[in-house]
Amino acid sequence: TQLLEQSPQFLSIQEGENLTVYCNSSSVFSSLQWYRQEPGEGPVLLVTVVTGGEVKKLKRLTFQFGDARKDSSLHITAAQPGDTGLYLCAGATDSWGKLQFGAGTQVVVTP
Amino acid sequence: KAGVTQTPRYLIKTRGQQVTLSCSPISGHRSVSWYQQTPGQGLQFLFEYFSETQRNKGNFPGRFSGRQFSNSRSEMNVSTLELGDSALYLCASSRADRGGTQYFGPGTRLLVL
Repeated sequence: TQLLEQSPQFLSIQEGENLTVYCNSSSVFSSLQWYRQEPGEGPVLLVTVVTGGEVKKLKRLTFQFGDARKDSSLHITAAQPGDTGLYLCAGATDSWGKLQFGAGTQVVVTP
Repeated sequence: KAGVTQTPRYLIKTRGQQVTLSCSPISGHRSVSWYQQTPGQGLQFLFEYFSETQRNKGNFPGRFSGRQFSNSRSEMNVSTLELGDSALYLCASSRADRGGTQYFGPGTRLLVL
């Protein structure tokens, strides 16, 4: 059972369009991390958000952490084919070294 | 700074065999966590080591074990392999603080025949 629900499971868009991925939970997290993973490779860290209500921007990517630290979103503006990948959110609690992962959102951006 | 490294990258074993996977964390990182990733279950936490001690453990059978050395390098072992153990095994390192950001290695792809 996934404690972190990601939606949608799959997104297929054209280059230049915008997209948003959601990550929701009934649990409170001390921090939340977003990763992007390519097939057969390990997840690559995109961002860590720590403070409720925090918004972080990395070029065309905007990350938001909910006020109650239970949910987060990732918004990509003007998507490019290089944004294609599996996007994973992962929440950290008081449990040593354990991240709780969502099931992931597969994003495909076609030229 | 070098990232997390894992060896080997690919392994093929048969049922009943055992396997050992290795992970070298980012320099200065003392916590190493292991995860199993499968299409059906996603990323599942196996265990975490810090200062040669297992601090946390996920819900996996005792066939899955690990250890950490004084230089923070870690190994995980799976004994009596089953077909269902086929997966991508990922290790991640972080500074020791609770809830700290984890950085992942490229993974070891294990296929059990």
